[in-house]
Amino acid sequence: DAGVIQSPRHEVTEMGQEVTLRCKPISGHNSLFWYRQTMMRGLELLIYFNNNVPIDDSGMPEDRFSAKMPNASFSTLKIQPSEPRDSAVYFCASSPGTGLIYEQYFGPGTRLTVT
Amino acid sequence: QKEVEQNSGPLSVPEGAIASLNCTYSDRGSQSFFWYRQYSGKSPELIMFIYSNGDKEDGRFTAQLNKASQYVSLLIRDSQPSDSATYLCAVIEDSNYQLIWGAGTKLIIKP
Repeated sequence: DAGVIQSPRHEVTEMGQEVTLRCKPISGHNSLFWYRQTMMRGLELLIYFNNNVPIDDSGMPEDRFSAKMPNASFSTLKIQPSEPRDSAVYFCASSPGTGLIYEQYFGPGTRLTVT
Repeated sequence: QKEVEQNSGPLSVPEGAIASLNCTYSDRGSQSFFWYRQYSGKSPELIMFIYSNGDKEDGRFTAQLNKASQYVSLLIRDSQPSDSATYLCAVIEDSNYQLIWGAGTKLIIKP
C-alpha cells in the first residue's frame, strides 16, 4: 500500500518566490496534518483538516502561509512570499480518524531551502 | 504556555541494556500520549500510544504513564543499534485539544 506521498522532496528557491508543497494522504484516511520541523523549534503542527475541512490553523505562522484541501486525496501548503526563515522540513501526515487521538502516518517530507 | 519536555540527550546505552526515555507534560488534564521514533533524515513513525495509568507493553517496548506525576516513559529492552534514533513524545492537551510535541531525545545504542 502506498503511504503518504509528498512532492517535491527537495525545493530550493529564492526569497520572495512562491512555494507550493503537495501531499497525497493515504486512501481512506479522514484527517490530514501539515507540520514544520527545524532544529531550533522541533516539530510544529501548522494546520490540520478533518474530512477536507480545516479544523485548527492556529499553528500557521503568518498570512504568508496558506493551506487547502480541495478533495480527500490532495492538499497543498503554499508560502507566498517565501523568506529564508521558512527553511525547514515540511511533513504531511494522515490519520484514519477524525481527531488527534489516532495514529498519524507521516510522509517523507519536503526539505525547503529559501536563499 | 503548555509544554512537553524531554531531555535532548544524547542518551548513550550499551547494546542489550534497557534504554529509558522520559517525558513530562504540564497540562494535568492531558489524556492521550504518544511515542514516535525518528531516524536521522526520515519522518516520525509511531512506536506506542497510551491512555491509561500504568504500563503498556508491545514487544521490546513498554510505555509507562503516571498522570499524578505528569510523566510518561518509554522503555526499550534488549536495545539494539537499530534503535538509535530520536524519540519524540507527543501529548494531547485536555484543555484545548491540541497536540503538543516534545523536542525529542536522541538515543545512541553502542555495540
